[in-house]
Parts: sequence; C-alpha cells; structure tokens
Amino acid sequence: DGGITQSPKYLFRKEGQNVTLSCEQNLNHDAMYWYRQDPGQGLRLIYYSQIVNDFQKGDIAEGYSVSREKKESFPLTVTSAQKNPTAFYLCASSIGGTPNHGYTFGSGTRLTVV
Amino acid sequence: EDQVTQSPEALRLQEGESSSLNCSYTVSGLRGLFWYRQDPGKGPEFLFTLYSAGEEKEKERLKATLTKKESFLHITAPKPEDSATYLCAVQDNYGQNFVFGPGTRLSVLP
Repeated sequence: DGGITQSPKYLFRKEGQNVTLSCEQNLNHDAMYWYRQDPGQGLRLIYYSQIVNDFQKGDIAEGYSVSREKKESFPLTVTSAQKNPTAFYLCASSIGGTPNHGYTFGSGTRLTVV
Repeated sequence: EDQVTQSPEALRLQEGESSSLNCSYTVSGLRGLFWYRQDPGKGPEFLFTLYSAGEEKEKERLKATLTKKESFLHITAPKPEDSATYLCAVQDNYGQNFVFGPGTRLSVLP
C-alpha cells in the first residue's frame, strides 16, 4: 500500500544536539511538507518542497533544515539553534500545488528534549 | 492574513447525541476548506474538501457544510469510535499552503 513513513516514532534530543527526522513516501507525489504540532495550536508549516532539489521556508523555519535529493524523501534536521524543539512533527505530501484532497500525512515523530 | 478558529475546543457527547463543530475562517479568496480527523499520536486523516458556499459533503455519520465565513461538521448519532480531534484547514487562491485551525477534541462516551 502507498503511504508516508516517518521514523522514528519517538526521538529524544539532548541540549545542543542536531537530530534528523526521516520522511519517505511511495505515492509518487511531487510536493512534500513538514509541519509542527503543539498542544492547542494549529499545525504550523516549517518547510515545503514542490520538486526535487528545491524547497522553501514556511512560517517557522528558523532552527530547522531540509533536503530534497530524491522525490521520495524529505528529511528534516532539527538543529541546536531551535530553542524549543519539543513537539509532534508531521510530514505530508500532495500530488501538486492544488491538492483537491488536501494532504496525505505520515504518522508523526514525537521529539522530546531531555 | 488567513486565519482559522475552531469551536468548541473540546466537546463531550453521549453515544447517539448529535452535535456540530464549528470552523470560522478569514481568507483572501477561498480555494478550498478541508476537514481532517486526527487520532491521538497519529497523523491527520482526510475527510472532506468544500469549495463554495452552500456545498455539503457526507460520509457515514459526518456531514460538512460551508458558508462564506464558516464551516460546520455535523455529527449524527455519534459512536465512541468517532472520538478524535477534528481539524479544519483553508487554502486561499494565492498561496500554496494551508492554514490549520487548532482543532476540536471530541469525546463520545458509551
């Protein structure tokens, strides 16, 4: 079955450490996105990519970095510059820029700073 | 700036007790309004897309409606398995991306 796979499900980060969250899709979707979800807030866009080797900052890109070397993969690195990284991170994809069915989401990665 | 609010923040219903969730939005030209269901610890799951005022969509016990300023998700005779957080999002005619509301956490008690 096609879908989006995020790993790991849970991730713990020490202060000053960079960590990378994985996102892989086999839906042949062109566009991929990273969102952050905090309690009581709507999903906030971190980065998005519409084609390979190209990506744009979202609303809260500071302290994060991404790459899009393959259509199927869109990893997110949470750097030490992100001061409050504890959150639930969601990866999503869509066929194109005007997705009639919205996004397909992965199952998320919960990141905790220890 | 596009904005989405949802009410109530949380709703507790008895099984079979129908109700509605509200999504109010401000957008510069609506391309689409989307409803998602999210179970705890999972990613959101797509439910409906609405494009213009007056449009309605149904799926099992859920019916979504749209006006020029808000959308309602009506839940008829809910069951405990309908318990989840329901998210609303809008996409405008100018932007690539969506603006999400904070969600309504629904609990249906047996």
